[in-house]
Amino acid sequence: EDKVVQSPLSLVVHEGDTVTLNCSYEVTNFRSLLWYKQEKKAPTFLFMLTSSGIEKKSGRLSSILDKKELFSILNITATQTGDSAVYLCAVDFSGGGADGLTFGKGTHLIIQP
Amino acid sequence: NAGVTQTPKFQVLKTGQSMTLQCAQDMNHNSMYWYRQDPGMGLRLIYYSASEGTTDKGEVPNGYNVSRLNKREFSLRLESAAPSQTSVYFCASRYLLTGKEQFFGPGTRLTVL
Repeated sequence: EDKVVQSPLSLVVHEGDTVTLNCSYEVTNFRSLLWYKQEKKAPTFLFMLTSSGIEKKSGRLSSILDKKELFSILNITATQTGDSAVYLCAVDFSGGGADGLTFGKGTHLIIQP
Repeated sequence: NAGVTQTPKFQVLKTGQSMTLQCAQDMNHNSMYWYRQDPGMGLRLIYYSASEGTTDKGEVPNGYNVSRLNKREFSLRLESAAPSQTSVYFCASRYLLTGKEQFFGPGTRLTVL
């Protein structure tokens, strides 16, 4: 059974701190790993990772994938209150006749002023 | 472009009633998806459609039917709603062959009493 596990499930930090969110996975047909941000509405896309060791960056957010150890991390530096959200990790398992994303339960991140 | 749109935004049903959730995308994507999201859970795939005229079951298809009406529209039907189907439903779309990210609609919050 395909599985995506995120940790921690919730995290409270102060503005300006750096956070690291974790995602490990077990899927039979790995195509890519995606990170989404969800703020009480539709998930919005952050990153897609397909190759090991290549860091993706967007401003204060960055992410990296390790396909050998089957995990990814999402880093947020100099956190702001606007970073408060649920961060979802998903694995694209499309191929071999199947399609879709398998999601983890998400990390609920709260940034206190 | 409106992206992915869903109707209705909110719905309350009584047990045993039926309804159809509508989804449309204007990005010329070939693949469309229906997910449900329950409290403390990530999104779970209900059904997907890789192209017009084809539909396939996802992780949690029981109690649902779908129709891919044309390339733009993908509907989800509950024939006899049950309290266990109380959830937030998200529709998504993408170009399957390029393996790019899925784009999500704003969601429908459904309560079954």
